[in-house]
Amino acid sequence: NAGVTQTPKFQVLKTGQSMTLQCAQDMNHNSMYWYRQDPGMGLRLIYYSASEGTTDKGEVPNGYNVSRLNKREFSLRLESAAPSQTSVYFCASSMQVQGNNEKLFFGSGTQLSVL
Amino acid sequence: AQSVSQHNHHVILSEAASLELGCNYSYGGTVNLFWYVQYPGQHLQLLLKYFSGDPLVKGIKGFEAEFIKSKFSFNLRKPSVQWSDTAEYFCAVSDGDMRFGAGTRLTVKP
Repeated sequence: NAGVTQTPKFQVLKTGQSMTLQCAQDMNHNSMYWYRQDPGMGLRLIYYSASEGTTDKGEVPNGYNVSRLNKREFSLRLESAAPSQTSVYFCASSMQVQGNNEKLFFGSGTQLSVL
Repeated sequence: AQSVSQHNHHVILSEAASLELGCNYSYGGTVNLFWYVQYPGQHLQLLLKYFSGDPLVKGIKGFEAEFIKSKFSFNLRKPSVQWSDTAEYFCAVSDGDMRFGAGTRLTVKP
């Protein structure tokens, strides 16, 4: 059971380049999330998807787009990378049970540097 | 949407000292509350969670947290910390999505 698989683990981009971070979960979770983690700022929610076919903005959505391709996959795209997007990105998933959001399962993270 | 505040940025304790980390949230409706821990080089792990019922919640590794609705607080406690508790601790609140506080770095001196 792989859990949450996130690729790539490391990426270096030049300003203006685009890239897509991939995330897949095999736990049949309905909710999926993208966070960025920066020192002293904790995890900030970029986008989330409460169920297949829906996506919603989080705290810091500017400069990002997402796609919930199916129940398993939730990708994050940077159309034109900026140095301010240098961060560690985490994908996570959870199951909603009777209206309660169960704990998050995290991917191993993507360390992104934008030069 | 809700926001989460953790007022202690860095806490330094000696082993066997008692710990209390503060967490306040802004949302007035029904929320789910969580504490996560991140050990160096690892990703977040769940310590405990509160959905409803007894406001005193016990988690793993001797941690507990108390939900005080009137204060919008969910503080984390441990009676006696160990060196191995050195980590970063995050409070999180969910009313659909999941928002995290900025984290509190705990350093326990042997």
